[in-house]
Amino acid sequence: KAGVTQTPRYLIKTRGQQVTLSCSPISGHRSVSWYQQTPGQGLQFLFEYFSETQRNKGNFPGRFSGRQFSNSRSEMNVSTLELGDSALYLCASSSDSYSYGYTFGSGTRLTVV
Amino acid sequence: GIQVEQSPPDLILQEGANSTLRCNFSDSVNNLQWFHQNPWGQLINLFYIPSGTKQNGRLSATTVATERYSLLYISSSQTTDSGVYFCAGTTSGTYKYIFGTGTRLKVLA
Repeated sequence: KAGVTQTPRYLIKTRGQQVTLSCSPISGHRSVSWYQQTPGQGLQFLFEYFSETQRNKGNFPGRFSGRQFSNSRSEMNVSTLELGDSALYLCASSSDSYSYGYTFGSGTRLTVV
Repeated sequence: GIQVEQSPPDLILQEGANSTLRCNFSDSVNNLQWFHQNPWGQLINLFYIPSGTKQNGRLSATTVATERYSLLYISSSQTTDSGVYFCAGTTSGTYKYIFGTGTRLKVLA
């Protein structure tokens, strides 16, 4: 069974640009969550999608957005990049009932210069 | 929201030693997991353990839900156990895991 796949693995962007990250969940998982990890703030929840609907949202500015497609794949977008957006972005998928918890992807490391 | 406190923040062990990592929650959680983050950044699921005790090889975990804490035991540690260990939980009615700040473990050969 394939795991959670995140692409790309690494990205370098310039301030002011926008970026789109992709996450393909484990087959059969309909919940996808996104986290940002930085040395200063640790792991912070961005948002969670289930069956194409955002169920939960963290405390991030509107520049951070996401969506989920009918095949459960998810994308997150960050517009008008700032230096502080440099981070490891992690995606996790889970089954409907959360009975087995999260499985994380390998992450996308974004550097904003 | 809930607060998740992990202790100790840092731990250095000699290979072969045993250790106990602790996670305290400020409120009741209905999902709880332990993760190991490897040097490449990937979070590996160790245990899904909202209550009770589980064992997987040299690792075991115990959650006492009524007292809002969980313990992760590492026995006969190996250098490959190095990394950061996180616990995380969700509260009733939410679909987001709140993570602790982690325990950074270094196992010396």
